[in-house]
Formats: sequence, structure tokens, C-alpha cells
Amino acid sequence: AQSVTQLGSHVSVSEGALVLLRCNYSSSVPPYLFWYVQYPNQGLQLLLKYTSAATLVKGINGFEAEFKKSETSFHLTKPSAHMSDAAEYFCAVMAGGYNKLIFGAGTRLAVHP
Amino acid sequence: DADVTQTPRNRITKTGKRIMLECSQTKGHDRMYWYRQDPGLGLRLIYYSFDVKDINKGEISDGYSVSRQAQAKFSLSLESAIPNQTALYFCATSEGFPGRTSASYNEQFFGPGTRLTVL
Repeated sequence: AQSVTQLGSHVSVSEGALVLLRCNYSSSVPPYLFWYVQYPNQGLQLLLKYTSAATLVKGINGFEAEFKKSETSFHLTKPSAHMSDAAEYFCAVMAGGYNKLIFGAGTRLAVHP
Repeated sequence: DADVTQTPRNRITKTGKRIMLECSQTKGHDRMYWYRQDPGLGLRLIYYSFDVKDINKGEISDGYSVSRQAQAKFSLSLESAIPNQTALYFCATSEGFPGRTSASYNEQFFGPGTRLTVL
């Protein structure tokens, strides 16, 4: 069975600081991994995805994530936070070709001046 | 225009009422999904459909039913709403397998959500 753990339900950073949102997964098969972002009062938007190609995945808005099989991790980073990055971020794992996503509980990112 | 739309966007109802949430998509995708979002729990899958004749239960289907009226429409019903069904509900779509590109078929596209309150 697949599962996702996001460490830290709330993360707060200063504008311009590094953003690091943690995600660890459990999967009995090679996983597909995703990061989604949810802005206030909106649906989820895909930031980036890992589908067994390059382990360092670049996404939209300057975000990237690195797949580390040995650590079962897929942490999301951005070198310099912007006020517009304030949102909730969800890590998700998909089982093979079944298209069913298992989501983590989410991490709410606050960016302060 | 949005590719995945949900109606209504907000709904307040009373315990015991029947409620239907509707989802429509113009992406031409075969697969559709219903999720609910609760604070601290992320999104959980209620039902999913891989085509018009295929309906499957997700991890939390009790108290819900669905109807896939056409490729583009997937409705979620609460036959007798209860307060713990108060949540944010999302519809999503994805291509079937194989997709137009090998990397695209597994991405899900989400609607804007329906906020349901059951009093």
C-alpha cells in the first residue's frame, strides 16, 4: 500500500529565504510522485511530478524536488520565497498506472516580509 | 473557460437532505474522480470512474453515491447528509492509459471545489 507523510503542517519563512517542504512516501512499487499547490479558495494545481525519469524535477514558479529512493523522500524546495508562494502544498503518490492519488495531509506555507 | 467545473461552489444544507454535486469537464478525459478535503487530512478519494460504464469505490465511499451520466459529467450524491460530511469536495479528471504522451496520462486536473456545510 502507498502512503505519504508530510512533516510539518505549517511552515513559515521570510521573503527571500529558502523554502523546504518535506515529503516522505511509502510504496511497494516504483512510485510516481507529485506536488500540488492550493491557493486560497482555489482548486489544486500541479507544481511538478516525478515519473521515473530524472531524479531532480523542476516545476513551475521556481520550485523543484529531488527524488531520493534511499531516503524514500521527495522534498520540495525553492531558493527564494516570494509572498505569492503563500499557499497549501500537498505531496501525493500514485500507484503504478491506476491513476489513484494518495495525498499527504498538506503543509501550509506562510511567507512574511 | 475552465476545463473542469463544479456546481454549486458553495452549499449549506440540513441534516437528512439529499444533495447532488455536479462536475463537468471539457478536457475529453476518460477518467474522473471525487475527493473530499478536510483540514489536517489532505484529500481522500471517494469514488472514481475510468469510463462511463466503470464506477469504483475509493477509500471513503460510505454515505456517498455517484453517477457518470456521460464522459464529461460525473455527479456525487449524498442521499441523507450528515454534519460530518461538511467538507470541501473536489472533482478531478485524467487521461486513460495509454495517454497521448507517456508522461501525461497520469496527471490529474482539479476543479475549483464545492464547499458543503451540513447543519
